[in-house]
Amino acid sequence: DTGVSQDPRHKITKRGQNVTFRCDPISEHNRLYWYRQTLGQGPEFLTYFQNEAQLEKSRLLSDRFSAERPKGSFSTLEIQRTEQGDSAMYLCASSTFPGLAGDQQFFGPGTRLTVL
Amino acid sequence: GQNIDQPTEMTATEGAIVQINCTYQTSGFNGLFWYQQHAGEAPTFLSYNVLDGLEEKGRFSSFLSRSKGYSYLLLKELQMKDSASYLCAVRDRDQAGTALIFGKGTTLSVSS
Repeated sequence: DTGVSQDPRHKITKRGQNVTFRCDPISEHNRLYWYRQTLGQGPEFLTYFQNEAQLEKSRLLSDRFSAERPKGSFSTLEIQRTEQGDSAMYLCASSTFPGLAGDQQFFGPGTRLTVL
Repeated sequence: GQNIDQPTEMTATEGAIVQINCTYQTSGFNGLFWYQQHAGEAPTFLSYNVLDGLEEKGRFSSFLSRSKGYSYLLLKELQMKDSASYLCAVRDRDQAGTALIFGKGTTLSVSS
């Protein structure tokens, strides 16, 4: 296991469709994060899991967004009824706690979503 | 709330030294990170500061002053491959728990 992987790398969809992304964290990592990044901006926190428990959700997260991590390993992020404003890079990160100083997060390559 | 400010763009030449500043406002500061992000790629970890002072790691150093809400990333002996976006991020236990709050990033262009 060489790092965090995400699938698909690119997704083009029409407005109103549902999409689901998958993230596979580094195998021994118990924490998993989802972020969203638009052009010219830094990543924006969406939600976070420790093992299978979803511990934090951004107050900005629309109820069209849902995330799961059923067995404490991989995670899925679903967006229902997509809107053009959902177009962004969706980044997954993982970390192990307790572990590296500062709970260092390792990022995956991201899924680029384009909503037409 | 939180506010993280860093310059939008910087330019420098190969072999030079560049300092990228970051100021932040948080209510529950719990660490500051610097990440490097090349275009179209994932952010990669550079440094972490939680106590005041300088952390040095090879060509990169990071400084933190918690009382001033200020950090900088110092890049020495610049190389062309250092052209990237540099993201300052803080952990604020009052805002997002253990998640990171990122600035907009500083795009550094290194020329020969």
